[in-house]
Amino acid sequence: DAGVIQSPRHEVTEMGQEVTLRCKPISGHDYLFWYRQTMMRGLELLIYFNNNVPIDDSGMPEDRFSAKMPNASFSTLKIQPSEPRDSAVYFCASSLTGPDTQYFGPGTRLTVL
Amino acid sequence: KQEVTQIPAALSVPEGENLVLNCSFTDSAIYNLQWFRQDPGKGLTSLLLIQSSQREQTSGRLNASLDKSSGRSTLYIAASQPGDSATYLCAGGQGGKLIFGQGTELSVKP
Repeated sequence: DAGVIQSPRHEVTEMGQEVTLRCKPISGHDYLFWYRQTMMRGLELLIYFNNNVPIDDSGMPEDRFSAKMPNASFSTLKIQPSEPRDSAVYFCASSLTGPDTQYFGPGTRLTVL
Repeated sequence: KQEVTQIPAALSVPEGENLVLNCSFTDSAIYNLQWFRQDPGKGLTSLLLIQSSQREQTSGRLNASLDKSSGRSTLYIAASQPGDSATYLCAGGQGGKLIFGQGTELSVKP
């Protein structure tokens, strides 16, 4: 298996632009997690899905952030409009059984100028 | 609110040394504690998972312990090697989530 796939790996955009991050989980995994990692706040859970349904989105910072999982093999995290403070590495992880055993993707490094 | 703290933030040791990384958590109501490794530009890889009913787990040169009563976990690395250089994160499982510490950046010098 190719593991969790994230695209793009790097994204540089200007403030106010829409940003879409993509994730393909490991085939057969029912759970999908989106995290954000910054030097100041460390690794934070933004939202997670089970069977394509959002279970907990309490970590989503504000309405500018939205996440979807239209099917079992694809999820997106969208930021609209983007701001410089959104600059971070965004990770996607998937799991067969739940939060205990997560497989992380390589991350997307987002820079908002 | 659960807070997970890791000390030190960075550590540099010569090759061959045994070392201990520390992790503390404020709320003992965790159902497990995990240690992860993160290499630069990469995602996280799980190293060891300790369930709340367990006291320790071992994998090769790695040994992790958990003391829920004191809110502490340690990761012991024996005979460190340059290939162990990475950031090590601990995470407590609670409320269906993992709460991560900030990590300890380890550098093992040849």
